[in-house]
Amino acid sequence: QQPVQSPQAVILREGEDAVINCSSSKALYSVHWYRQKHGEAPVFLMILLKGGEQKGHEKISASFNEKKQQSSLYLTASQLSYSGTYFCGTAGGSGGGADGLTFGKGTHLIIQP
Amino acid sequence: DVKVTQSSRYLVKRTGEKVFLECVQDMDHENMFWYRQDPGLGLRLIYFSYDVKMKEKGDIPEGYSVSREKKERFSLILESASTNQTSMYLCASSLSLRWEQYFGPGTRLTVT
Repeated sequence: QQPVQSPQAVILREGEDAVINCSSSKALYSVHWYRQKHGEAPVFLMILLKGGEQKGHEKISASFNEKKQQSSLYLTASQLSYSGTYFCGTAGGSGGGADGLTFGKGTHLIIQP
Repeated sequence: DVKVTQSSRYLVKRTGEKVFLECVQDMDHENMFWYRQDPGLGLRLIYFSYDVKMKEKGDIPEGYSVSREKKERFSLILESASTNQTSMYLCASSLSLRWEQYFGPGTRLTVT
């Protein structure tokens, strides 16, 4: 089952902050965040693993609440380059084997000057 | 830099044709994935492979099959293309779930 992302779309002025949420109905091992610009491939932003480990770009921050199966992506002091569609991808299990990600439907972010 | 390439950016096929989509990665990744992307639905996993000749069904495998004869190459096969398979197809690879997935540029397939 696809994780649910909210909001579906958001419009910001440059310099404003945004929070994008991702909620799953199943226990999670990891949450991945990607950004996709129109006509381009998704690009990695952040991985959050069960147990607290995180990997990602320095300017991106996110949280992972394992008990609630929820993750949030925090975009602070947004820049025009942050515009795009943000996807969360989730994986369950123990993480020891291979598995694919189940992605949400995406959050469209528009940054205006 | 990791590079994932896909054989075609755009492809037009007729209903009933057999279609091959090829994906190649150059980073010796164990895992490779095929997704389709449709407006409003996000990315949906079709199949993935965690080793040569090994494959697992994803969320929407119906109407598709895959082949992985070499570690660097993962093929998606539409045995008999149908119009509802018109979509953007994205290939990805990764070391494991503890590491990021790298996506190819995508193949926009139109079935008429």
